[in-house]
Amino acid sequence: DAGVIQSPRHEVTEMGQEVTLRCKPISGHDYLFWYRQTMMRGLELLIYFNNNVPIDDSGMPEDRFSAKMPNASFSTLKIQPSEPRDSAVYFCASSPGLAIPNEQFFGPGTRLTVL
Amino acid sequence: AQSVTQLGSHVSVSEGALVLLRCNYSSSVPPYLFWYVQYPNQGLQLLLKYTSAATLVKGINGFEAEFKKSETSFHLTKPSAHMSDAAEYFCAVSSGNNNDMRFGAGTRLTVKP
Repeated sequence: DAGVIQSPRHEVTEMGQEVTLRCKPISGHDYLFWYRQTMMRGLELLIYFNNNVPIDDSGMPEDRFSAKMPNASFSTLKIQPSEPRDSAVYFCASSPGLAIPNEQFFGPGTRLTVL
Repeated sequence: AQSVTQLGSHVSVSEGALVLLRCNYSSSVPPYLFWYVQYPNQGLQLLLKYTSAATLVKGINGFEAEFKKSETSFHLTKPSAHMSDAAEYFCAVSSGNNNDMRFGAGTRLTVKP
């Protein structure tokens, strides 16, 4: 298995632009998580899905952030409009639903820079 | 609710020296505990996990961790540090549900030649 795939690996954009981050989870995994990592705040859970359904989005910082999972093999995290404070590394992770303990498998991350 | 506290945001050791990274947890139910490692410009990778079986858990790359319920600790150790161990290490706790894993703030390990 190729593991969790994220694209792009790096994104540089200007303030006000729309940014879309993409994730392909490991096949067969029922859970998908989006995290944000910054020096100041560490690793923060933004939202997670179970069987393509958003379960908890309480970590999404603002309405500018939205996430979708149209099918079991694809998810997006969108920021519109982007701001410099959104600059961070965004990770996608997936987890098998019935496996205990529920380790998460992380993608390589997308490093977002908003100028 | 679960939480972890990692003591020391930065740890520096000499090559060949003992590595000790500290993690204390808080959990209202028997916890599942994890150590992840993050190498520069990469995602997190699982080092080892505690599943309520043996209290001493062995992981990859010579790392191990011991679950001590009386101390609510799950410290990570390695007898002899290698330059390739330089990375950031995260402790995490979960109740076993897929929605409640909580990560610590991370400890950056530096290995000096």
